[in-house]
Amino acid sequence: ETGVTQSPTHLIKTRGQQVTLRCSSQSGHNTVSWYQQALGQGPQFIFQNYREEENGRGNFPPRFSGLQFPNYSSELNVNALELDDSALYLCASSQNGDYGYTFGSGTRLTVV
Amino acid sequence: GNSVTQMEGPVTLSEEAFLTINCTYTATGYPSLFWYVQYPGEGLQLLLKATKADDKGSNKGFEATYRKETTSFHLEKGSVQVSDSAVYFCALLSGAGSYQLTFGKGTKLSVIP
Repeated sequence: ETGVTQSPTHLIKTRGQQVTLRCSSQSGHNTVSWYQQALGQGPQFIFQNYREEENGRGNFPPRFSGLQFPNYSSELNVNALELDDSALYLCASSQNGDYGYTFGSGTRLTVV
Repeated sequence: GNSVTQMEGPVTLSEEAFLTINCTYTATGYPSLFWYVQYPGEGLQLLLKATKADDKGSNKGFEATYRKETTSFHLEKGSVQVSDSAVYFCALLSGAGSYQLTFGKGTKLSVIP
């Protein structure tokens, strides 16, 4: 049973709009990472927050941003949506960024 | 940069057949290696891991051995079941304090009765 929950499970947005995806991580997990998984591909690292600060970013533009809150909730914000942003977005949490990442079930975003 | 290459699927096996999914990697330093599994409509679940050379990770009948000399981490299972049908991802975490998992493209396994 996963300790990471994501909402919503599915979402449809129009190109140019903004979207916020939410994640609730396991208690005690101070590290939250976000991944984008395009259809038929492996997940790609977007960025990571550690104790409410961003401490790493993959090859994604600044319109992908996020916040982490003290209550173990996090958000991924994507501005100016593009059709290629359509993907499954996965949240993963861990304690101090160690090996034990726990993934949520993801949010399926469709941009039309 | 870091990269992971997995054998392409899909792989279709009969129940009780032997499974091998090949995985090789390129990384700086001494990475930790992982296999994750994704069932339809779900997120990723950690299947097994190995953190140093010659370590063997194992779980639910699956095994993989960290081979530094061949930069490989092949997944094996002696007798697959229908319930093993899923997509399997090989991944690495490189360097001390590293925070980014690098994944392969995934291999879809279908097991038929």
